[in-house]
Order: sequence, then C-alpha cells, then structure tokens
Amino acid sequence: QVQLVQSGAEVKKPGASVKISCKASGYTFTKYIMHWVRQAPGQRPEWMGWITPDNGDTKYSKNFQDRVTITRDTSASTAYMEVRSLRPEDTSIYYCASEPRNRPLYYFDFWGQGTPVTVSS
Amino acid sequence: QSALTQPASVSGSPGQSIAISCTGSSSDVGGSNYVSWYQQHSGKAPKLMIYDVYKRPSGISDRFSASKSGNTASLTISGLQAEDEGDYYCASYSGSFTYVLFGGGTKVTVL
Repeated sequence: QVQLVQSGAEVKKPGASVKISCKASGYTFTKYIMHWVRQAPGQRPEWMGWITPDNGDTKYSKNFQDRVTITRDTSASTAYMEVRSLRPEDTSIYYCASEPRNRPLYYFDFWGQGTPVTVSS
Repeated sequence: QSALTQPASVSGSPGQSIAISCTGSSSDVGGSNYVSWYQQHSGKAPKLMIYDVYKRPSGISDRFSASKSGNTASLTISGLQAEDEGDYYCASYSGSFTYVLFGGGTKVTVL
C-alpha cells in the first residue's frame, strides 16, 4: 500500500529555513507526482508546489515560488521541501501528497501524516 | 484570486442525506472539470473522496456522490453515518497563478 512518511515537527525562528522530508513506499517513486500542501490551524489547505520525481521538473504556486524549493532523491524514494525566510504566518502543518497520474491534475490521492512547523521568536 | 465558497456547517440525522455546495467562478469551478472533494477528520490528513467532479477513488463508499452546475459544485452524502462527521473541502483547478484553489471547508455534524 502507498505510504508517505514525513519528518518530525520543527520549531523555527523568523527568518530561518526549514527542510521537510517525505519518504515514499508501496509504489515506484518516480511514477507519481509529489505535491506539497500546507494547512494553517483552522484554515483551508493551500497548495504549494509539485515535483515529478522521474525528471525533477517542478512547479510552484506564485504565492511561494520565491521562498520554496522542492527536490527529490530517487535513490532514497524521498522528496524534500525547503521553505526559506520563515514568518510567523508560515506556522502550519505541511503535507506531502502523491498523485498517481502522468500529468498533474492537482488531485491529492495519498497523503503523508503531516509535519507541524511552528515559527516563533 | 478568491477562494471557493462553502457553507460553514451542515448537519443531519443518521440515515438522512445532506448536500454541501462549493461556489466559485468561471475561472475555476465553472471552467474546470478538475474538481475534487476531501474529507478531513480532526488531527488527520485530508482524504480524497471525489475527483473529476463526480468520480470516486477505489474504496470510497457510493454514499458519496457529486456533481457540478455552472460555477457551483456539490457533494451529497446519503445514508449519513456517525463516521461521516468531519470537515469537507472542495478544490478546483484555477489556472496558472495558484493552480488549485480550496474551499473554506464545511463542518459536517451527525446529530
């Protein structure tokens, strides 16, 4: 079965960076698109970007493209997302979510357990 | 870009049917067949319930159905059960700025 396991909770100061990992199992890592979605407490989810693990192509929401980088390590079946210049309003749960299609339709079929990130001075 | 509009809450008794609306614009819901619905239980990740406006992923009960008319998509839950309680979010492809918009979420309560 598809499983996405994310790294643990993070606490960061404003201006710092955070890098979250998402290890995939139960499928061929390079065949599914990997998205990143965040959800602030009590708020709607917000899509941040995706990567196609086979060739490393990425696409970002215009809201995040200046501060976010998504990468992958195919040998480890793991995707990463780094957010720079953190602000208190970046406090959210960050999810990876995979889409088993050959082009992104922005459906999030399988989800990681989420990584809470708290940004506070 | 504005988010999609959903009612804040909907409730029903066990066995009843409820419907949740999701209103957008011609730039998203009205102009896209890439509409989806997610169920989220407290403290858990969202779960895909509907994609392509009305299709159910494998393993999703046929008590969940969905449709779209104009700029409004709808999710119907039939034969309401206690396990259906939670938050429901719609989402739609929305073009090349944010690419996908989510609704504000609807809290479903089983009375």
